[in-house]
Amino acid sequence: AQKITQTQPGMFVQEKEAVTLDCTYDTSDPSYGLFWYKQPSSGEMIFLIYQGSYDQQNATEGRYSLNFQKARKSANLVISASQLGDSAMYFCAMREGRVLTGGGNKLTFGTGTQLKVEL
Amino acid sequence: DSGVTQTPKHLITATGQRVTLRCSPRSGDLSVYWYQQSLDQGLQFLIQYYNGEERAKGNILERFSAQQFPDLHSELNLSSLELGDSALYFCASSVGRNNNEQFFGPGTRLTVL
Repeated sequence: AQKITQTQPGMFVQEKEAVTLDCTYDTSDPSYGLFWYKQPSSGEMIFLIYQGSYDQQNATEGRYSLNFQKARKSANLVISASQLGDSAMYFCAMREGRVLTGGGNKLTFGTGTQLKVEL
Repeated sequence: DSGVTQTPKHLITATGQRVTLRCSPRSGDLSVYWYQQSLDQGLQFLIQYYNGEERAKGNILERFSAQQFPDLHSELNLSSLELGDSALYFCASSVGRNNNEQFFGPGTRLTVL
């Protein structure tokens, strides 16, 4: 079974609108972390936001917020007030297990959602 | 700029050849991770080192090997290259303790002809 599922291969949004990118995950470990990364056409991976499984509140970072619904195992990324520069591929990723000093904290990535912001 | 550097940026080589990709982690980061991004496999974890020791292994082929040196830079060696090894190879680093974020380098784009 896929550990991270991103069901939207591509999304379009109008500039200044909000957009939600979906991510569902599968793990039996009670301790895990969820990440969103942005990959522009230039190729680099840019960290956006993190949510820990024990965090009580949804994570926010500027225009990015993570809609964390633990019972549904979903961690959707919400981008408010979209900008042209938000056009990129977005990846959801998961770290299973608690953060281990020294190792084992690999990330498992979804297949990504290509977001295009239009005027 | 994440603070993680990777060289070279682009690499074009022929089948059967061997290449070395280099990564310098952020200052103070002890953990280095290697990931491969290809069209058919997506982003996959290859291997992780912490302070010079291998700590986790993912879907890394036997033809691939890596190491982390005392100065904490890491090298990924790819040998007997095949067309299917063409991909973007990322290095990421993290502090390695009580820290969740992995900071990615710009990647090395490998093309095998």
